[in-house]
Amino acid sequence: EAGVTQFPSHSVIEKGQTVTLRCDPISGHDNLYWYRRVMGKEIKFLLHFVKESKQDESGMPNNRFLAERTGGTYSTLKVQPAELEDSGVYFCASSPDSWVVAFFGQGTRLTVV
Amino acid sequence: GENVEQHPSTLSVQEGDSAVIKCTYSDSASNYFPWYKQELGKGPQLIIDIRSNVGEKKDQRIAVTLNKTAKHFSLHITETQPEDSAVYFCAASHYGGSQGNLIFGKGTKLSVKP
Repeated sequence: EAGVTQFPSHSVIEKGQTVTLRCDPISGHDNLYWYRRVMGKEIKFLLHFVKESKQDESGMPNNRFLAERTGGTYSTLKVQPAELEDSGVYFCASSPDSWVVAFFGQGTRLTVV
Repeated sequence: GENVEQHPSTLSVQEGDSAVIKCTYSDSASNYFPWYKQELGKGPQLIIDIRSNVGEKKDQRIAVTLNKTAKHFSLHITETQPEDSAVYFCAASHYGGSQGNLIFGKGTKLSVKP
């Protein structure tokens, strides 16, 4: 069974540019989460989808971040325009249970220069 | 809101020794405490979890203890092996609550020397 897959694994962009991260959850998992870890700090929650609906987006830092999950399958996280402080590792996770997050992807390392 | 403190930030042990990582949480409503292991180049992997209705849970060489009164929980790894080397994260959440998002500690880098 394929795990949670994220694309790209690395992205280096200039300040002001746009980047789109993609997450393919485990098939059949209704719950999809985005988390990020800024260098040296804790992993922080961004948002939670249940199927195609945003269950909780309280962790989204500002309106430069837009997450979508059309059709309730894969999800994208767009950062537009990117700022230096957006650098970090973005993790996606999926789960059949709303509260037990067992399966994380390998992460996308975003560097904004 | 919830805050999770994790100590130590780095831990080095000899192969065969035990390793203990400790976390404290602030929100008494938290009732679910998972631990994750992150190896280099990979995402966090759930290795064990505990809910607040139990005080201890074991899975082979790994155990987690929970003290609800003191609001702290710990990960114990016995007979450590080089492949246990990784970054370990504790987390807390409110299982069954309106929001299931995890609050993570900052991580502990464990090095097991052969």
